[in-house]
Amino acid sequence: DTGVSQDPRHKITKRGQNVTFRCDPISEHNRLYWYRQTLGQGPEFLTYFQNEAQLEKSRLLSDRFSAERPKGSFSTLEIQRTEQGDSAMYLCASSLITLQAGDEQFFGPGTRLTVL
Amino acid sequence: DAKTTQPPSMDCAEGRAANLPCNHSTISGNEYVYWYRQIHSQGPQYIIHGLKNNETNEMASLIITEDRKSSTLILPHATLRDTAVYYCIVGVGGEKLTFGTGTRLTIIP
Repeated sequence: DTGVSQDPRHKITKRGQNVTFRCDPISEHNRLYWYRQTLGQGPEFLTYFQNEAQLEKSRLLSDRFSAERPKGSFSTLEIQRTEQGDSAMYLCASSLITLQAGDEQFFGPGTRLTVL
Repeated sequence: DAKTTQPPSMDCAEGRAANLPCNHSTISGNEYVYWYRQIHSQGPQYIIHGLKNNETNEMASLIITEDRKSSTLILPHATLRDTAVYYCIVGVGGEKLTFGTGTRLTIIP
């Protein structure tokens, strides 16, 4: 399957612990996005990369959150000192930017984080 | 804030066409209309998008009004597997997507 993959699919952690999620985009897609979704709500944008450059960060991305895309391929999202309010589905998406045809995003299955 | 308005829920009989409306009266000239759907506990699935013209693919058709202030997603022959939350989003290609709460579509056997 050549879609977006995310790892792990589920993560349970205790409050105060650090967690890291990984996203592998569709091959050759140059943009990679992170979103967060809480129960009953639509996904909310967190940040996105063009190749290895982080182009935009939402104000939702507090200092405890950091995202990287070191070689312009896979990306990691780290949450330090997790809080119960961080419990959510973390979604990754990728797109190939052509600036010609809408450049739709394709989503992965998500990582569900539960903070106890 | 979301720039689209959708009904919170709709029902459709299996085998019939499902027509999901969306209002986006403040859409800008360079913004596309995107439709995604999300089946419970899965990531959003891209369905279709368009700028001005009507579009059709193997999943659905997208009808955009001439003034671009509203659109309709059409699933021509709904099946039980089409039960999902459908999101209508307007945005510039490649930029962040701003999701609303979508329309919960239930296909009735």
